[in-house]
Amino acid sequence: AQSVTQPDIHITVSEGASLELRCNYSYGATPYLFWYVQSPGQGLQLLLKYFSGDTLVQGIKGFEAEFKRSQSSFNLRKPSVHWSDAAEYFCAATFYSGGGADGLTFGKGTHLIIQP
Amino acid sequence: NAGVTQTPKFQVLKTGQSMTLQCAQDMNHNSMYWYRQDPGMGLRLIYYSASEGTTDKGEVPNGYNVSRLNKREFSLRLESAAPSQTSVYFCASRTGITNTGELFFGEGSRLTVL
Repeated sequence: AQSVTQPDIHITVSEGASLELRCNYSYGATPYLFWYVQSPGQGLQLLLKYFSGDTLVQGIKGFEAEFKRSQSSFNLRKPSVHWSDAAEYFCAATFYSGGGADGLTFGKGTHLIIQP
Repeated sequence: NAGVTQTPKFQVLKTGQSMTLQCAQDMNHNSMYWYRQDPGMGLRLIYYSASEGTTDKGEVPNGYNVSRLNKREFSLRLESAAPSQTSVYFCASRTGITNTGELFFGEGSRLTVL
C-alpha cells in the first residue's frame, strides 16, 4: 500500500539554527513528492515539489529538499530558521498513473516549534 | 485572487443534523477534492472529482456525499452528522490533467458535532 511517513511529530529548533524534517515513502513505482506548510488557522501552501531530474529541489521561503531513492526519503531542510517558520509541515506523494486525478497521500505532519 | 473559497468557516451541529459545505474555485481547474484533517492523522481524502460530472470515493467516504455542481463548485454533504465527523475540512483543486499538478487549498471549515 502507498504510504507517507513523517517520523517526527514535534521538532523544536532554536531561531537561526538549521532544520531537517524527515519524510519517507512507500510506493511500488516512482513517486511524485511534495512538501506543504500550514500556518495556524490557515490552509496548506506548497513549499516545493519533486517529479524527476535533479534530486535537490529548491522551494519558497528558503526551503530545499533532497530526494534519495535508495532511502525512499524526501527530507526538507532549511539552513537557518526564523520564528515565522513555526507551523505544521506535511509531506505528500502521488503515484503517476498516466492520467486521472487521484488525491495526494499525506503524512501525519510535523509540528515545528521555534525557540527564541 | 480568490483561489479556493470554502463556506462556512465555522459550524456547530447537533448529532443527526445535516449540512452542506460549499467549495468554489476560480482557477478553471478540472479536479477538486475534499479532505478532513484530524489531530495526529494528517489529511485524509474523503471524495474527489476528476472532472465535471464525475466523483469518486477517497480513503474515508462513509457518512458523506458530494456533488460536482459545475466546473467551479464541489460540495460536501453530511446527511446525519455524528460526533466522529468533528474535524477541519479542506477543499482543494488542481488542473487535473495529470497527477503532477500542485493542489491549491481553501482555508478550511471547522465543524463541531455535539
